[in-house]
Amino acid sequence: NAGVTQTPKFQVLKTGQSMTLQCAQDMNHEYMSWYRQDPGMGLRLIHYSVGAGITDQGEVPNGYNVSRSTTEDFPLRLLSAAPSQTSVYFCASQDATYEQYFGPGTRLTVT
Amino acid sequence: AQSVTQLGSHVSVSEGALVLLRCNYSSSVPPYLFWYVQYPNQGLQLLLKYTSAATLVKGINGFEAEFKKSETSFHLTKPSAHMSDAAEYFCAVRGAGNKLTFGGGTRVLVKP
Repeated sequence: NAGVTQTPKFQVLKTGQSMTLQCAQDMNHEYMSWYRQDPGMGLRLIHYSVGAGITDQGEVPNGYNVSRSTTEDFPLRLLSAAPSQTSVYFCASQDATYEQYFGPGTRLTVT
Repeated sequence: AQSVTQLGSHVSVSEGALVLLRCNYSSSVPPYLFWYVQYPNQGLQLLLKYTSAATLVKGINGFEAEFKKSETSFHLTKPSAHMSDAAEYFCAVRGAGNKLTFGGGTRVLVKP
């Protein structure tokens, strides 16, 4: 039981490049979410999904896309990276008691 | 809409002293409340959660928190700090749409 896995752990992009952050969970949770963590701002919700085929925007969705074709996978796509997207990104899945299980994070730098 | 306020972005305590981290929340639905801990360069892990059962909740590593509805608070305490408690702590509330809203975090420094 791996829990929530994320790849890559580190990534450096140039402004304008695109990339996909991968997230997978093996707990059969319907609810999954993506957060970004910036100093002093806690975690802010980017996008979330309540099940395969259903996604919705969170607090800071601009510049990011998501899809949910399976229960296990919830990738986050950066369409055209900007320096403001330099951050640490966490994926999480949620159980029926609303407890969230977090992946180890991806540290992204955009130059 | 829901919100979480953590008082103090940094807290310094001596080893063996009481740890008290403050969290106040607002929620438009009956709240579920959580404390998470984040060690350097790691993800978040659950310390404890309140899910409308007992108002005093015990968690891992000797931490506990008390839900006070009248004060809309969920403060985290540990009677005696250990060096290994140095980390960042986040309070979170489940609100409308089952989304979690996090506070800004409190970084704890433990002095020998």
